[in-house]
Amino acid sequence: EVQLVQSGGGLVQPGGSLRLSCVASGFTFSIHRMHWVRQAPGEGLVWVSRIKSDGISTDYADFVKGRFTISRDNGKNTLYLQMNSLRAEDTAVYYCTRSSMDVWGQGTTVIVSS
Amino acid sequence: DIQMTQSPSSLSASVGDRVTIACQASQDISKYLNWYQQKPGKAPKLLIHGASNLETGVPSRFSGSGSGTDFTFTISSLQPEDIATYFCQQYDDVPLTFGPGTKMDIK
Repeated sequence: EVQLVQSGGGLVQPGGSLRLSCVASGFTFSIHRMHWVRQAPGEGLVWVSRIKSDGISTDYADFVKGRFTISRDNGKNTLYLQMNSLRAEDTAVYYCTRSSMDVWGQGTTVIVSS
Repeated sequence: DIQMTQSPSSLSASVGDRVTIACQASQDISKYLNWYQQKPGKAPKLLIHGASNLETGVPSRFSGSGSGTDFTFTISSLQPEDIATYFCQQYDDVPLTFGPGTKMDIK
């Protein structure tokens, strides 16, 4: 079965850090660009970041540049999102998805609050 | 950045009705447009890619059309299980951008 399984969310104080993980199975992870997309409570979908298959080329939304880092380990079929200097407005459900956007993780909730 | 707009923002229709959602891009995106269905507490589900290509397993009552800046999503005969929020999304360039969504319910 083609799937993405996420982990790593939780409650963190403003200024804190979290690392999200997304483990792929059922397809050749290493050839796919991967994305992170988030959705704040009651809001729409917002693209966060993208990483190309080689793990070298990355892109970020302006609102996370310098704070978030996307990375991947093709040997472990795993995508990561390191989130630093978290703000209240980063509170959202975070989804990973592959390049064709036909397979999504189940989502992981990040709450930034004191 | 490419801005995506959608209309209407909400839609109430009867079972069996034909419903249509419009999506407009702020610049030419050719046919690099996806349509998603999202139910509460669930990840988005890709229904249509490339503006008009139905994903495998998606019922044929769903369809999409358009190119350039103007796109349309249609449900030919609304079913109770279609109650959800629908989003368009362009993938012509990063940042990928989504429409604000159309919340659909049954009258």
